[in-house]
Amino acid sequence: DAGITQSPRHKVTETGTPVTLRCHQTENHRYMYWYRQDPGHGLRLIHYSYGVKDTDKGEVSDGYSVSRSKTEDFLLTLESATSSQTSVYFCAIGQGAAAGVVETQYFGPGTRLLVL
Amino acid sequence: SQQGEEDPQALSIQEGENATMNCSYKTSINNLQWYRQNSGRGLVHLILIRSNEREKHSGRLRVTLDTSKKSSSLLITASRAADTASYFCATDSGSRLTFGEGTQLTVNP
Repeated sequence: DAGITQSPRHKVTETGTPVTLRCHQTENHRYMYWYRQDPGHGLRLIHYSYGVKDTDKGEVSDGYSVSRSKTEDFLLTLESATSSQTSVYFCAIGQGAAAGVVETQYFGPGTRLLVL
Repeated sequence: SQQGEEDPQALSIQEGENATMNCSYKTSINNLQWYRQNSGRGLVHLILIRSNEREKHSGRLRVTLDTSKKSSSLLITASRAADTASYFCATDSGSRLTFGEGTQLTVNP
């Protein structure tokens, strides 16, 4: 977990409210990722960023948006939280994808989100 | 759909025994990676094997890759109680990793 922090670590919210999760890195890695982890589904990619203001969708991006205004911060926003977004959210960072190759990723400690 | 699928889903062994986990995938890859996750924690990278490699070692870990069968195996030798965790394979098929659902390994003291 060194060099990657996530906040908050735990959150309970109500359906329909906006929620923003923050990932902060001190490693100066170019790539940042948001995953969700659910029983029976493993880790699924929500969005990722390959540079400041450069983001792309993952396999489960509906209902989520992201922003990256600084190298060190990657924000995940649930515009209007739903119960199906109850999950554990992990941020990850990576040094780069030379010629489309993904190297080792380093994960944060996770955020447990409960949407009531 | 999942790119990588681990087998078995759960494995329980005694301390000192070897543990073998398998991963199958569907499309061509650049590399395959194995990660460990302790309960309530984030994933930790264990080892990366490239598509042109067949075997790789790191301490008590041995990973093999058979691209013709689209499969990989992770062997942990002389297991310890501290090896109890979930183990995930992840495949890189360009710009992102796709994770399997993991194997839950329990090592009994």
